[in-house]
Amino acid sequence: AQKITQTQPGMFVQEKEAVTLDCTYDTSDPSYGLFWYKQPSSGEMIFLIYQGSYDQQNATEGRYSLNFQKARKSANLVISASQLGDSAMYFCAMSNTGANSKLTFGKGITLSVRP
Amino acid sequence: DTAVSQTPKYLVTQMGNDKSIKCEQNLGHDTMYWYKQDSKKFLKIMFSYNNKELIINETVPNRFSPKSPDKAHLNLHINSLELGDSAVYFCASSQDLTGAVGTQYFGPGTRLLVL
Repeated sequence: AQKITQTQPGMFVQEKEAVTLDCTYDTSDPSYGLFWYKQPSSGEMIFLIYQGSYDQQNATEGRYSLNFQKARKSANLVISASQLGDSAMYFCAMSNTGANSKLTFGKGITLSVRP
Repeated sequence: DTAVSQTPKYLVTQMGNDKSIKCEQNLGHDTMYWYKQDSKKFLKIMFSYNNKELIINETVPNRFSPKSPDKAHLNLHINSLELGDSAVYFCASSQDLTGAVGTQYFGPGTRLLVL
C-alpha cells in the first residue's frame, strides 16, 4: 500500500522568498512516480511537477523544483521567488506501476504568500 | 481549448434523485479517472478506465456507475443520491498508466450538493 504524508498545517511566505513544502511517502514498489498539484481557491487541480523513482536528478519546472531524497522517502516541493498567485493548497501524490496504477494523495498543505 | 472538461460545474439536487456528470478529454489520452474530494479536501480515486475498459473500482458503492462510450469520454452516473455524496468530483486523464506519461490532468471539478 502507498501512503503520502503532508504534516505542515499551513505555511506562510513573504513574496519573492523561497518556500519548501514537505512530503514523505511510503511504498513497497521499487518503481513509482511522485507528483505535486496546486489547487487555488477557484478549485481546479493544476499539475506542477513529476519525479520518477529512478530519475537521477531532481525535477525542475520553472520556479518549481522537487527535492527528491529517496533514502529518506521524501519529495519536498521548493517554490522559488514566491508570488501572490502561489497562494493555494498544494497536494503531493504518488503513483504505483502496472495496470492498477492510481494516484494516492496526501491531505494537502495550504500556502499563503504575504505581500 | 479545454483539455479535460466536465459538465455541469455545479449540481444541487435532492436526496434520492439520480444524476449524471459528464467528462470529456481532447488530449488523445487512453486512460481516464474519477476522483472524489470531500469536505476536508481529501482526494480519493473512485474509478479508472483504460481504452474504455474498467481498470480500478475502488470500493465505491454500486450506486455509482461509470460509463465510457469511447476513450475520450467517461461519465459518472449516481443513483439514489445521499447526503454523504456531497463533494467535488474530478475527472482526470493521462496518456498512459505509469511514469511521466502517466501524469494525470484534471478537469475543473463538479461541485455536487445533495439536500
